Amino acid sequence: GAVVSQHPSWVICKSGTSVKIECRSLDFQATTMFWYRQFPKQSLMLMATSNEGSKATYEQGVEKDKFLINHASLTLSTLTVTSAHPEDSSFYICSARVLMGGSQETQYFGPGTRLLVL
Amino acid sequence: SQKIEQNSEALNIQEGKTATLTCNYTNYSPAYLQWYRQDPGRGPVFLLLIRENEKEKRKERLKVTFDTTLKQSLFHITASQPADSATYLCAPGDYGQNFVFGPGTRLSVLP
Repeated sequence: GAVVSQHPSWVICKSGTSVKIECRSLDFQATTMFWYRQFPKQSLMLMATSNEGSKATYEQGVEKDKFLINHASLTLSTLTVTSAHPEDSSFYICSARVLMGGSQETQYFGPGTRLLVL
Repeated sequence: SQKIEQNSEALNIQEGKTATLTCNYTNYSPAYLQWYRQDPGRGPVFLLLIRENEKEKRKERLKVTFDTTLKQSLFHITASQPADSATYLCAPGDYGQNFVFGPGTRLSVLP
């Protein structure tokens, strides 16, 4: 099946610094990728939809200037958490949309990136 | 607004038994519904997709039903094994729309 990778898998940073997370589709091209955030014992919350070659679409309540998304190629989307603060500590997961035929779709997820802001 | 509920936050069953997980949705008419498995500290893994015109779908020890009248999907794992222990997420979807994940049910299969 399709493989999605994320890098780094773990990052610890100081408050006020920026952190970049990469999401790559390894054996397929993904015109659409998604970024989710998951807090402990909670479900995934969609942050934004990343479209190759265009601006990302952010969900309500997600600050686009804080969470910068770039989808410069068909295999790479990046999420940059700018001026990170302790409340940004979370598990960030990306996924790539894959069409399955009949207009149905599924998403293949990356392994996630755990961010801890001290 | 759309609401997705999964029967319980946690479910414990004995090895060899059938685990049944429930996903209910309101204010929504999805064209299909998906089930994912998520292990701790990992991203979700796609398991099954069932379309609105399908009543049942099977894959090895997994079986999913989809009742659009009841607005419910049931997810069964037969002959459960400790390795099946994980959180299972349902995600109803519609054409051209992002799908929303349910809160998940944490399944523990006890040896």
